[in-house]
Amino acid sequence: DTGVSQDPRHKITKRGQNVTFRCDPISEHNRLYWYRQTLGQGPEFLTYFQNEAQLEKSRLLSDRFSAERPKGSFSTLEIQRTEQGDSAMYLCASSQNNYGYTFGSGTRLTVV
Amino acid sequence: QKEVEQDPGPLSVPEGAIVSLNCTYSNSAFQYFMWYRQYSRKGPELLMYTYSSGNKEDGRFTAQVDKSSKYISLFIRDSQPSDSATYLCASFGNTDKLIFGTGTRLQVFP
Repeated sequence: DTGVSQDPRHKITKRGQNVTFRCDPISEHNRLYWYRQTLGQGPEFLTYFQNEAQLEKSRLLSDRFSAERPKGSFSTLEIQRTEQGDSAMYLCASSQNNYGYTFGSGTRLTVV
Repeated sequence: QKEVEQDPGPLSVPEGAIVSLNCTYSNSAFQYFMWYRQYSRKGPELLMYTYSSGNKEDGRFTAQVDKSSKYISLFIRDSQPSDSATYLCASFGNTDKLIFGTGTRLQVFP
């Protein structure tokens, strides 16, 4: 197990389309986090899971965003009816008992 | 006011210099403090992890936390061009989510 992997690395989509990203965490990590990062800013929390339970969702996250973690393994983040403001790097991280997150390389979304 | 504030830089130093990167935070509940390094178009990579106040050293890197002033520092000794990256401070307390600063872009020139 070499770390957190995210797929795809890049996604270009037209405004109004739906997109889905996948994250595979480190296998023994029970917590999984999604963050969003725009240019010149630090990562911003979106949501997190402990095992398969989604424990917190940022109030900044609109209803167009949904995340799942079936069976407590990989996770998906879906954005419906994408807008240009959704263009960002979407980062996934995993951890075991809060001792430092390990991030993936991210999915860069461009909405045109 | 953001919970974690960080000067975005950029900070440009010559190779071999001592670099000081700083953050302030406002949430008194924060107990865990981290520094991440992020290269362009990559995910953040954990550099240092400290709990509560005090110093922690790892090779050329030293992290300091002063909870009385809510101040977090990262020192890099003998800086190298390969240290050129964005450095993010982050913290959490009684919740499970890391709160990040804006990041400071560091450039070490030969």
